[in-house]
Amino acid sequence: GIQVEQSPPDLILQEGANSTLRCNFSDSVNNLQWFHQNPWGQLINLFYIPSGTKQNGRLSATTVATERYSLLYISSSQTTDSGVYFCAVSNQAGTALIFGKGTTLSVSS
Amino acid sequence: NAGVMQNPRHLVRRRGQEARLRCSPMKGHSHVYWYRQLPEEGLKFMVYLQKENIIDESGMPKERFSAEFPKEGPSILRIQQVVRGDSAAYFCASSLDSPGYTFGSGTRLTVV
Repeated sequence: GIQVEQSPPDLILQEGANSTLRCNFSDSVNNLQWFHQNPWGQLINLFYIPSGTKQNGRLSATTVATERYSLLYISSSQTTDSGVYFCAVSNQAGTALIFGKGTTLSVSS
Repeated sequence: NAGVMQNPRHLVRRRGQEARLRCSPMKGHSHVYWYRQLPEEGLKFMVYLQKENIIDESGMPKERFSAEFPKEGPSILRIQQVVRGDSAAYFCASSLDSPGYTFGSGTRLTVV
């Protein structure tokens, strides 16, 4: 099956810093999503981005499908950005999402 | 739009009891997915349902676990004879049409 690897596993930042999170996947996909799980456990859908670049405020994401990776950029990080960021891709049948193990981000003031 | 509603938020069961987790999808959404998150791990797919049909249950354990999404009412994930290893967060998501998941807030099951 498709493998999803995320890096780095952990990231510690000071407020105001920028960061880049990476997601590699082992096969071609037609659905890639980024999620943020906040410290209370709630999962928020950040981007649906099978290819190209999207921006939403301080967050942006780029997927290069031909090279099988996606990047999530967080600029001017805030303490509320803390949590776990997951990348997920569809399985071949399109019936399920396969999640990476996540990047745990801690932003301190 | 109330979003995906899961209840209960927290559930404690003794070993051997049954756990029933409920999920009401977003209004108009006909696709429901269940995922399980063990401590310190990512989410693992369990089952994908549409109204009255199980589409993909490849992630469901072979025994003790079942899921349904009836014509009327919420989707139910049922775990019979729970064991300590079933302790996890169970998330439900819904979509109008793949992709575009919206997740509920999850049910944290603790087996004592």
